[in-house]
Amino acid sequence: QVQLQESGPRLVKPSETLSLTCAVSGYSISTGDYWGWIRQPPGKGLEWIANIHHDGSTFSNPSLKSRVTISVAPSKNQFSLKLTSVTAAETAIYYCARALFNGDHYFDSWGRGTLVTVSS
Amino acid sequence: SYELTQPPSVSVSPGQTARITCSGDALPKKYAYWYQQKSGQAPVLVIFEDNRRPSGIPERFSGSSSGTMATLTISGAQVEDEADYYCYSTDSSGNHRVFGGGTKLTVL
Repeated sequence: QVQLQESGPRLVKPSETLSLTCAVSGYSISTGDYWGWIRQPPGKGLEWIANIHHDGSTFSNPSLKSRVTISVAPSKNQFSLKLTSVTAAETAIYYCARALFNGDHYFDSWGRGTLVTVSS
Repeated sequence: SYELTQPPSVSVSPGQTARITCSGDALPKKYAYWYQQKSGQAPVLVIFEDNRRPSGIPERFSGSSSGTMATLTISGAQVEDEADYYCYSTDSSGNHRVFGGGTKLTVL
């Protein structure tokens, strides 16, 4: 059974870069699925950020694309997110998830999420 | 940008049928997916590809889609089904993946 675990700094200053890593266990990241990031501001809804395949192909939310870098490290069975120039409004729980592909991507397994606070 | 529209809240008594709708212009051509999120927990997939149920999800959860509207139905809702429910899909180009705004289901 696939398990995902987010890690990274819990506090980021405004205008700096948010960096998170998702460690995958119980499943090889190279199997062929996609892997993604989703966030949720406290008390609000879900927002898709970006997906990546183990071959490195990526898909990003158009509204965040210019600030998002998603990468994969198959040898470590993990993938990562960088979001530049963050603001306080981007304080959120950040989830990593596996995205199955059926001509589209949908998330079937999620990490528990990590709260990242953007504040000086 | 593409949007999926859900009612903010739905309320039913235990044992009644709860229906949560999701409207989007691309739904005639794109699948809808549904996630259940209980307080303080990560979302859980309850319906994929409009009407398919993952293993382990109770049979009382079902999905349908017609035209620009997808519907999640919980037949005989139970108190444990109280949660936020989100629909998910993509725009017609397949480039923009979006979640609906979420519906808070109250069962009491």
